[in-house]
Amino acid sequence: DAGVTQSPTHLIKTRGQQVTLRCSPKSGHDTVSWYQQALGQGPQFIFQYYEEEERQRGNFPDRFSGHQFPNYSSELNVNALLLGDSALYLCASSPIWGELFFGEGSRLTVL
Amino acid sequence: GESVGLHLPTLSVQEGDNSIINCAYSNSASDYFIWYKQESGKGPQFIIDIRSNMDKRQGQRVTVLLNKTVKHLSLQIAATQPGDSAVYFCAERRGSNYKLTFGKGTLLTVNP
Repeated sequence: DAGVTQSPTHLIKTRGQQVTLRCSPKSGHDTVSWYQQALGQGPQFIFQYYEEEERQRGNFPDRFSGHQFPNYSSELNVNALLLGDSALYLCASSPIWGELFFGEGSRLTVL
Repeated sequence: GESVGLHLPTLSVQEGDNSIINCAYSNSASDYFIWYKQESGKGPQFIIDIRSNMDKRQGQRVTVLLNKTVKHLSLQIAATQPGDSAVYFCAERRGSNYKLTFGKGTLLTVNP
């Protein structure tokens, strides 16, 4: 049984560019959450998707957007990248109120 | 305010000793708490959770204690092993709020 899978694992972008990160949830999970983890910090909640809708959003600007597909997979899009967007982006899946299972993350470096 | 903080950023123990990692939270409305372990280059891994109607919960080699009076959470690891070396985060959730709020983390180093 595959766990939460994320792609790409590492990527480098320049300021002003756009990035799309992808997540496939654990089998049987219908809810996907995205977190940003800066170096040396705990993960910060970006948003959660359930039934293809954004259910809750953290304190992140509109440059951060997402999508959930009918197969429950999800994408995180970040526009107009800033140096401060450099971080590990974590996807977590769960049943709607169940335990979160995290993926290994996508390491984004913005130059 | 909204915060989940940790008392110590680093903890170094000898193999075989017991480890205690502490966490303070500030909002009395928090009703669900989780401890995660994060190894270098990996995502957080669930260790154990506890709800606010409990004071203690035990797992395999781990125990979580919750003191609601002083808003304090601790993770005890028995017979700490080198494989336990990682960053440990506490996280909390409140009521119908989906998001988890994480603390900054404690780096546990186990010396052989």
